[in-house]
Amino acid sequence: LAKTTQPISMDSYEGQEVNITCSHNNIATNDYITWYQQFPSQGPRFIIQGYKTKVTNEVASLFIPADRKSSTLSLPRVSLSDTAVYYCLVGRFNTNAGKSTFGDGTTLTVKP
Amino acid sequence: GAVVSQHPSRVICKSGTSVKIECRSLDFQATTMFWYRQFPKQSLMLMATSNEGSKATYEQGVEKDKFLINHASLTLSTLTVTSAHPEDSSFYICSARDGAIDGTEAFFGQGTRLTVV
Repeated sequence: LAKTTQPISMDSYEGQEVNITCSHNNIATNDYITWYQQFPSQGPRFIIQGYKTKVTNEVASLFIPADRKSSTLSLPRVSLSDTAVYYCLVGRFNTNAGKSTFGDGTTLTVKP
Repeated sequence: GAVVSQHPSRVICKSGTSVKIECRSLDFQATTMFWYRQFPKQSLMLMATSNEGSKATYEQGVEKDKFLINHASLTLSTLTVTSAHPEDSSFYICSARDGAIDGTEAFFGQGTRLTVV
């Protein structure tokens, strides 16, 4: 399973753009990169998923370089409610052998 | 996105008793479900993977006789913590994948806070 490395914590202010980078040097050819958000005492919430280049949805953007050994989650104009733990996962969920492993995550604190 | 419902959200039980946690996929068929455990201020730890109609695959160090997993239908998986002890107190989370979609993301339940007293 591909191991991921993220910063343990980040601070930001309301209205700023936040970029969280995840390293996954051992990513396999058929692995996807998925980001989740988790609030205290809640299950993780899917944010975005990508395989290569750039993916954008209504919540975030995901940038993946050509070598796919890292990825960057970009949150535009964060608010206080974006304070949460963000996890980067690499792998596939559709088979036993392809399960993903949660890393330590990044605790994002948005300040007023 | 797909909805995964977990029940109960909180449970308190006495030491030595068993507790069952349900995980349901509400609007899709989940061929594969995953069970995680999360201790305070720690990441999620995968406990086991279950496929509908077959035995669960447990991660190393997880006692299969203590954490019984049943995935009898495409919309329901259950985790039973048998003979619970205070050290089993934790936040248990399930996730499920839609087998009909050729995608790879899994959707998570809201979690169950188990407290063993």
